[in-house]
Amino acid sequence: QSVLTQPPSVSGAPGQRVTISCTGSSSNIGAGYDVHWYQQLPGTAPKLLIYGNSNRPSGVPDRFSGSKSGTSASLAITGLQAEDEADYYCQSYDTSLSGRVVFGGGTKLTVL
Amino acid sequence: EVQLVESGGGLVQPGGSLRLSCAASGFTFSSYWMHWVRQAPGKGLVWVSRINGDGSSTSYADSVKGRFTISRDNAKNTLFLQMNSLRAEDTAVYYCTRDSHGLGDHDYWGQGTLVTVSS
Repeated sequence: QSVLTQPPSVSGAPGQRVTISCTGSSSNIGAGYDVHWYQQLPGTAPKLLIYGNSNRPSGVPDRFSGSKSGTSASLAITGLQAEDEADYYCQSYDTSLSGRVVFGGGTKLTVL
Repeated sequence: EVQLVESGGGLVQPGGSLRLSCAASGFTFSSYWMHWVRQAPGKGLVWVSRINGDGSSTSYADSVKGRFTISRDNAKNTLFLQMNSLRAEDTAVYYCTRDSHGLGDHDYWGQGTLVTVSS
């Protein structure tokens, strides 16, 4: 089991909005560590999508947004497009694990 | 342009050893923490290890502690992962990643190298 909990799958029709949750605890997200999100397209390496809870790297469309509150974080995707179909992972750090990196289990987004 | 290129993966028998390399370019390598992250076939991302900029501090996941050693050669802009006593459950694609600012996001990823542990 992953330290950070994500739903295994979400889906939505083109143009719709979907959200992916990432639930942690007081030793990681709740301890103040930032949450980052990665997109992994089929057969490729993961790519940074959101950093520092809500910031987009250059080149990432503003359809993608992140937020954090308490011990959880969320990734929202608006105006869903076929090319958004991918696996999404959240990531943070955990004080109980000597500040080690922790990932969520990943969420498969299907565009219907 | 930042580039991370892993090499050294392959097929190895249980109990064997393998050394992965990650050649970095396009940035001041010694200024960044670096990590190894792995992904078993069909599974999610799992952090393996990290090393700070000058190599003086390292950290490992419990599953590899005592078997894997992370190191770096800043003169050659190369990150390493020495993997000993390999087990079937170590089978995965291993990615080298750059940490943007120490305990930060992983802003660049290599293409990965596949390690298969099987008899």
